[in-house]
Formats: sequence, structure tokens, C-alpha cells
Amino acid sequence: AQTVTQSQPEMSVQEAETVTLSCTYDTSESDYYLFWYKQPPSRQMILVIRQEAYKQQNATENRFSVNFQKAAKSFSLKISDSQLGDAAMYFCAYFGNQFYFGTGTSLTVIP
Amino acid sequence: GAGVSQSPRYKVAKRGQDVALRCDPISGHVSLFWYQQALGQGPEFLTYFQNEAQLDKSGLPSDRFFAERPEGSVSTLKIQRTQQEDSAVYLCASSPTGFSNQPQHFGDGTRLSIL
Repeated sequence: AQTVTQSQPEMSVQEAETVTLSCTYDTSESDYYLFWYKQPPSRQMILVIRQEAYKQQNATENRFSVNFQKAAKSFSLKISDSQLGDAAMYFCAYFGNQFYFGTGTSLTVIP
Repeated sequence: GAGVSQSPRYKVAKRGQDVALRCDPISGHVSLFWYQQALGQGPEFLTYFQNEAQLDKSGLPSDRFFAERPEGSVSTLKIQRTQQEDSAVYLCASSPTGFSNQPQHFGDGTRLSIL
């Protein structure tokens, strides 16, 4: 069965610094997609970044980038130059034949 | 509106009552998903529609949960004979196509509280 694990329930980062959020997953599928979503206290989930499993190149979106290690089934999110607005719950998600989310990491940004 | 709309935003019901939660996806989106998010947890998949066809309902926790999307647009999630463990936020999401590579666009959710 596919599962998604986020081992860091809470993380904090100083404003302007860099933080990395971890995610591992388990699957027997060869074709799938991985996502990071952000959920502010207002509750609406917002897409941060997407990675296709068949691509070796790590995805990048402005200050957000991923470290995708397919063999290790690892998909971490790096946030550079952290801003106060980055404070939120971050969920790692697996979309294949089924859809799984991790339990989330609560990120605090310290001014 | 341009986004996924869910109503009501909050719903309080007594145990044993039936509830209906509505989702208006982004216009033209083929896929529609329902998730249940317990407090402090990630969303858990309930069911998935492609147009009006319910292709996967493996996540529905019991036969008290029922979802429909009769015309391939608006969807309703119905919970019969509600129980306290049904208390959660119910999220709806839609995506443009039937492929997993498309990001899902989420609504604000309905917070259901069962007394």
C-alpha cells in the first residue's frame, strides 16, 4: 500500500533563512506524481510545487525547490529566504492510482 | 467564482441526523475529489469522480457515506445517521483532467461538528 510519511510535526526557521521539510513515501507504482501543498490557518490548501516521478531534474518554483530521490523514495521541500507568509502547515502528497497525503509539518517563521 | 466553492462552511448536527455537504468545482474541471481531514491530520481520500462517474469510493469509511455528481459538475457528499467520529473538515478538490499529474484545486472545506 502507498503511504506518505512526514516525520517532522513542527519546524521553525528564522526569517530569511533556509529550511528543509522531509517527506518519504512507499509505493510499488512506477508512474506517479508528488506534490507539496501549503495550508494556512484559513484552511484552503494551496499548491506549492509538483514533481513528476519520471523526471530526474528537481522541480523549482521561485524560493521553493525539492530534493527528489526516487530510489530512496524521498521528496523533501527546501524553502529559501523564508518569509513570514510562509508560516503554515505543509503537506506532502502522492498522486498515483490513489491519492495520499502526509500528516503535515507545521512551519513557524520567526521574525 | 473562479475557485472551488463548498457549502456550508460550518455545519453542526446532532448525532443520528443526516447531513449533506455541497461542492461546486471549478467550471469545466473533469475530476472531483472528496477528502476528510481530522483535526491535526492530513486529508484522507474518500472518493473520486471523473465527470459523473464515481471511479473510486474506496475511502468512504462506511455505507453511511454516499457521494454523487449526477451532471458532472456539482457534487454532494451525504452522511446518514451521523456519529461523533464523523466530526472533521470535509475538503473538496477539482482538477482539469482525469490524469494524476494535474494539481488539485481545493475549496475552503466544510467543518462538520457532531454533538
